[in-house]
Amino acid sequence: AQSVTQLGSHVSVSEGALVLLRCNYSSSVPPYLFWYVQYPNQGLQLLLKYTSAATLVKGINGFEAEFKKSETSFHLTKPSAHMSDAAEYFCAVSVEGSGNTGKLIFGQGTTLQVKP
Amino acid sequence: SQTIHQWPATLVQPVGSPLSLECTVEGTSNPNLYWYRQAAGRGLQLLFYSVGIGQISSEVPQNLSASRPQDRQFILSSKKLLLSDSGFYLCAWSVGASGGKLFFGSGTQLSVL
Repeated sequence: AQSVTQLGSHVSVSEGALVLLRCNYSSSVPPYLFWYVQYPNQGLQLLLKYTSAATLVKGINGFEAEFKKSETSFHLTKPSAHMSDAAEYFCAVSVEGSGNTGKLIFGQGTTLQVKP
Repeated sequence: SQTIHQWPATLVQPVGSPLSLECTVEGTSNPNLYWYRQAAGRGLQLLFYSVGIGQISSEVPQNLSASRPQDRQFILSSKKLLLSDSGFYLCAWSVGASGGKLFFGSGTQLSVL
């Protein structure tokens, strides 16, 4: 069965430090992979997505993620954290056989705290 | 531009009471519509999915139902709420071959007491 695992439910970094949020997935077919961000009391918005083109994907707000098939990983990074990056981040994989629909399997989320 | 409206923002309901959450999309036609639930400390779970009026796919067995009476309207309902129905409910839409890109509403925080 497909799954998404986000390592670490809470990550704390200092402002200006590297952000690394980990995501591993399982899928028997080449997946579409996504990172979404959720600010407090809001819905989710798409940060970036991987759809089998370049393995390094650049998203909004300076975030990027690298698809590593051998490691079944899709970790999210940002070189320098801003206070405004504090939010919950979700990794997701497209449901096998769902085509180009929005049927996604989400990880449990990682809360990013940015300290001044 | 496309927008998605979801209401109410918060709701407190007693166990056994009915539920109706509404979601509408503007600025697009024939969207795919979704209801996701985010339980406390857990990720999002897809509850229902619709590709058109009257077409509803239920992804998990549960106490809830969904309806799509109009192209851009999606309703989540329950006849009798359970404590376990508490959570943050998110409506979302996508169009055609969107590659899985979803646009989410601002969510409804439901507390069943």
